[in-house]
Amino acid sequence: GAGVSQSPSNKVTEKGKDVELRCDPISGHTALYWYRQSLGQGLEFLIYFQGNSAPDKSGLPSDRFSAERTGGSVSTLTIQRTQQEDSAVYLCASSSTGGYNEQFFGPGTRLTVL
Amino acid sequence: GEDVEQSLFLSVREGDSSVINCTYTDSSSTYLYWYKQEPGAGLQLLTYIFSNMDMKQDQRLTVLLNKKDKHLSLRIADTQTGDSAIYFCAERGTDKLIFGTGTRLQVFP
Repeated sequence: GAGVSQSPSNKVTEKGKDVELRCDPISGHTALYWYRQSLGQGLEFLIYFQGNSAPDKSGLPSDRFSAERTGGSVSTLTIQRTQQEDSAVYLCASSSTGGYNEQFFGPGTRLTVL
Repeated sequence: GEDVEQSLFLSVREGDSSVINCTYTDSSSTYLYWYKQEPGAGLQLLTYIFSNMDMKQDQRLTVLLNKKDKHLSLRIADTQTGDSAIYFCAERGTDKLIFGTGTRLQVFP
């Protein structure tokens, strides 16, 4: 079956512009996560959706970052007024509940802010 | 707070064993994981261990867990050039995974 997909795979934008990154999780997965991976850094947790519960936004670095998940499936991460330090690879993952909670990752979106 | 630490680099000769180490801080973690990230790709789960286990073996992979010291290791036997990647350990927090910084494994002939 299809895995987690993300679009676009690469995005180059100018400082100050808004960007939207999309994640299509595996069908039936109730949990969805966004992470940021900067060059030479580990994974930085951004936000977590679980079913109909309120999302865990504790990792969002500033109020310029927001995310939504429509219909419990597709998620969009929006970065407003992008800054150069936002340049990174943004990874999305989804998982089912229970068991060992394996997270399945998408290939990521590489964001470059000029 | 929750923090997972790993050394940044490891270089080994092809055919040798690789050992990647990780320390974590949340003693209540139920599962601990090793993920592999190949260049330009997302992360893929390699293996995991339940917290009541000390060791788990899966083909060339051996995971050792020392709960007392909050230390997790991944041993790769007979390391191949295809094993070159970044390896992340992760612990399961309350409802999300906490990842380490990743260890870049380089295998040379």
